[in-house]
Amino acid sequence: GEDVEQSLFLSVREGDSSVINCTYTDSSSTYLYWYKQEPGAGLQLLTYIFSNMDMKQDQRLTVLLNKKDKHLSLRIADTQTGDSAIYFCAESIWDYGGSQGNLIFGKGTKLSVKP
Amino acid sequence: GAGVSQSPSNKVTEKGKDVELRCDPISGHTALYWYRQRLGQGLEFLIYFQGNSAPDKSGLPSDRFSAERTGESVSTLTIQRTQQEDSAVYLCASSVQGHTDTQYFGPGTRLTVL
Repeated sequence: GEDVEQSLFLSVREGDSSVINCTYTDSSSTYLYWYKQEPGAGLQLLTYIFSNMDMKQDQRLTVLLNKKDKHLSLRIADTQTGDSAIYFCAESIWDYGGSQGNLIFGKGTKLSVKP
Repeated sequence: GAGVSQSPSNKVTEKGKDVELRCDPISGHTALYWYRQRLGQGLEFLIYFQGNSAPDKSGLPSDRFSAERTGESVSTLTIQRTQQEDSAVYLCASSVQGHTDTQYFGPGTRLTVL
């Protein structure tokens, strides 16, 4: 079955880089996503990567995908206190024969940024 | 433009009562999803609507849960005879066409069952 794993906590100092890791199990994943959830707020889409890419950069965010190892990472450069949140990795399963389109989420990584 | 909206933002109910949660997707989005997030947990998929196709109900945890969608607009998630374990944040998302399209989430409804 499908499963997405993340470490639960990460603590960094302001100005350092943060790297949040995720592993997934389903090799038929087509898109992989990173969502940010701030306290009391809904999910905010940060970035996504198509499974035939190995890297995507968007300002301070860099996504790396190792499809062979089914490993996804999110790097946040120059981490700020406003980056403190829970970060969810998610994979989208595309079943040609069915109607699936839902996302499978990890449990989230709580990023704490210390001044 | 307007994002996905959900109402109410908070709902407190007594065990055994029925509740209805509402989702207004982004205009023009044909796909709509419901997820549940229990405290300290990741999101669980509940149900998926895509256009006029039969919904994918594979994530609904019991027959007390049901959802409807009117055309390609509003959706209502109904939980009958609520139990304490139903307490969670219920999130709605919509996407342009479903499948690999990016899903955009609403702020969620926090349900507390006493």
